[in-house]
Amino acid sequence: EPEVTQTPSHQVTQMGQEVILRCVPISNHLYFYWYRQILGQKVEFLVSFYNNEISEKSEIFDDQFSVERPDGSNFTLKIRSTKLEDSAMYFCASGGGYGYTFGSGTRLTVV
Amino acid sequence: SQKIEQNSEALNIQEGKTATLTCNYTNYSPAYLQWYRQDPGRGPVFLLLIRENEKEKRKERLKVTFDTTLKQSLFHITASQPADSATYLCALEGDTGRRALTFGSGTRLQVQP
Repeated sequence: EPEVTQTPSHQVTQMGQEVILRCVPISNHLYFYWYRQILGQKVEFLVSFYNNEISEKSEIFDDQFSVERPDGSNFTLKIRSTKLEDSAMYFCASGGGYGYTFGSGTRLTVV
Repeated sequence: SQKIEQNSEALNIQEGKTATLTCNYTNYSPAYLQWYRQDPGRGPVFLLLIRENEKEKRKERLKVTFDTTLKQSLFHITASQPADSATYLCALEGDTGRRALTFGSGTRLQVQP
């Protein structure tokens, strides 16, 4: 069964540093997403990407965040100048029209 | 304000019984309602999707109902097994044309052998 692959599985970073989270979505899917889940809280939508541009974003997705699809397979989330409150699980998801496939996530810890 | 509520944080049942989980929402008009399973430290896994014009959907031991008048979905697992123990998330899609999922906080199901 096709999978969404995320790397790294864990990332520890110093406050103020930049991180890039990477995802390989399912190849024939058209919609790509980033969600995050702070420990013990709901899964929250960050941003969606369709046709090589952002199609929706939440209020969480401010200027600190950016997404890119640099080639035909990778989909990245960049967080500039990380803050303690950015510590969370970040999930990439892709969809082809009936439900979404999520990756296993990157656990980001900002210290 | 918009709200999605899933019944009780935790539900404990005996193996073989039917688990029924509830998802209620307010101030949404979703085109689709989806259910996901999430295990600790893992990403959500898609289980079922039901459209706003559908009343019921089944897949193996799973059944979902959707009542847009009551603004409620029920998720049933029949003949439950200890392996069904997980957190189950309700998610709404398609409100005002948005494709992004809005998740409930989940119900943690524990099936006792």
